[in-house]
Amino acid sequence: GESVGLHLPTLSVQEGDNSIINCAYSNSASDYFIWYKQESGKGPQFIIDIRSNMDKRQGQRVTVLLNKTVKHLSLQIAATQPGDSAVYFCAENKWGAQKLVFGQGTRLTINP
Amino acid sequence: KAGVTQTPRYLIKTRGQQVTLSCSPISGHRSVSWYQQTPGQGLQFLFEYFSETQRNKGNFPGRFSGRQFSNSRSEMNVSTLELGDSALYLCASRTGTSANNEQFFGPGTRLTVL
Repeated sequence: GESVGLHLPTLSVQEGDNSIINCAYSNSASDYFIWYKQESGKGPQFIIDIRSNMDKRQGQRVTVLLNKTVKHLSLQIAATQPGDSAVYFCAENKWGAQKLVFGQGTRLTINP
Repeated sequence: KAGVTQTPRYLIKTRGQQVTLSCSPISGHRSVSWYQQTPGQGLQFLFEYFSETQRNKGNFPGRFSGRQFSNSRSEMNVSTLELGDSALYLCASRTGTSANNEQFFGPGTRLTVL
């Protein structure tokens, strides 16, 4: 069946370092992938997305990489800041559909 | 522009009761989806409504139902509550057109079943 998983449940990084959060997916038919950030007491917040016809997309301090060969997705956060502390989820679906399949999440902790 | 709002934010019920949760999407958004978030199962899709019609449904029992009104506001109902229904219920809205797939989530309703 469909599943999206994360390699690590927790990640600790030093403030100012780069963070890399990984995600594996299993549905080859998925063509749209999204990263969400969820802070305590809040709903998930959209960070960045990528369609399957791309392998890299950059935003402000964030980059998403998609490797369709090994069904792997990663989120890179440059110069990690205390405000980046949160749980990060990857999600997949088909473009235009609404049924997102989420991974279990990775908790990112920033050390001062 | 106001974000997605959900009411109530917290709710405590007992087993066997029923509950109704409400979601007001971003103005202009016609699609509303509901998700259940638990520590064990993570975020799971419940259903999606677009123009008052259910367009997609997840793998949840029939005790979970929803509806959407003409103003795009949505409600979800859980009948005969079970302990395992304790969760954060999240609502997300989007325009509903395929050109823009970004979903905007509300803060959620924390349901505790005793």
